[in-house]
Amino acid sequence: NAGVMQNPRHLVRRRGQEARLRCSPMKGHSHVYWYRQLPEEGLKFMVYLQKENIIDESGMPKERFSAEFPKEGPSILRIQQVVRGDSAAYFCASSPGQGTRNSPLHFGNGTRLTVT
Amino acid sequence: AQKVTQAQTEISVVEKEDVTLDCVYETRDTTYYLFWYKQPPSGELVFLIRRNSFDEQNEISGRYSWNFQKSTSSFNFTITASQVVDSAVYFCALSEATSGTYKYIFGTGTRLKVLA
Repeated sequence: NAGVMQNPRHLVRRRGQEARLRCSPMKGHSHVYWYRQLPEEGLKFMVYLQKENIIDESGMPKERFSAEFPKEGPSILRIQQVVRGDSAAYFCASSPGQGTRNSPLHFGNGTRLTVT
Repeated sequence: AQKVTQAQTEISVVEKEDVTLDCVYETRDTTYYLFWYKQPPSGELVFLIRRNSFDEQNEISGRYSWNFQKSTSSFNFTITASQVVDSAVYFCALSEATSGTYKYIFGTGTRLKVLA
């Protein structure tokens, strides 16, 4: 009964490089959320996806950030040309589906991105 | 608009003291869901409780209890006889059932330090 799997756990990138963060939802879950947590701050919503569709990306920065959740494989959060301000913990969460908003989100352990 | 406020940034208590973490929310929906999560120093996010807006019954689980009051839009969390292992950041979150948004909105968290 695997939970939400995120990898890598830690990621170090130099300014200007690309960061790719992966998330496999819990078995049976078809909806994925990405949140960002800056040091000493709360969780900020970024994007909500279901298979092959972006449902809500209102929290995503307009440039350099993108997310996908293909039919096969994990959800990917991609950050292009990273800057120091992108350093944060990125959490992925999954839920069973759109009609179950009373379901708690199940979180992965997060990816800690450090930009040097 | 959705909003969750955790006014207490940090609380320190001595072991065995009781402590209450405050959560105040804003929503226009009549049906919504409230959650508490714990983030220990190891960084993962642990689901603690879910409450529906139409169920104001308080809940107790061991040393944990939750007081939901719609009249004051509050969903407070009390730890009785605190222990060092309770030291963590605690997040309150809100999900609306009928609005067009799909976000789970989190408060900024309260850092609880339990001193031995």
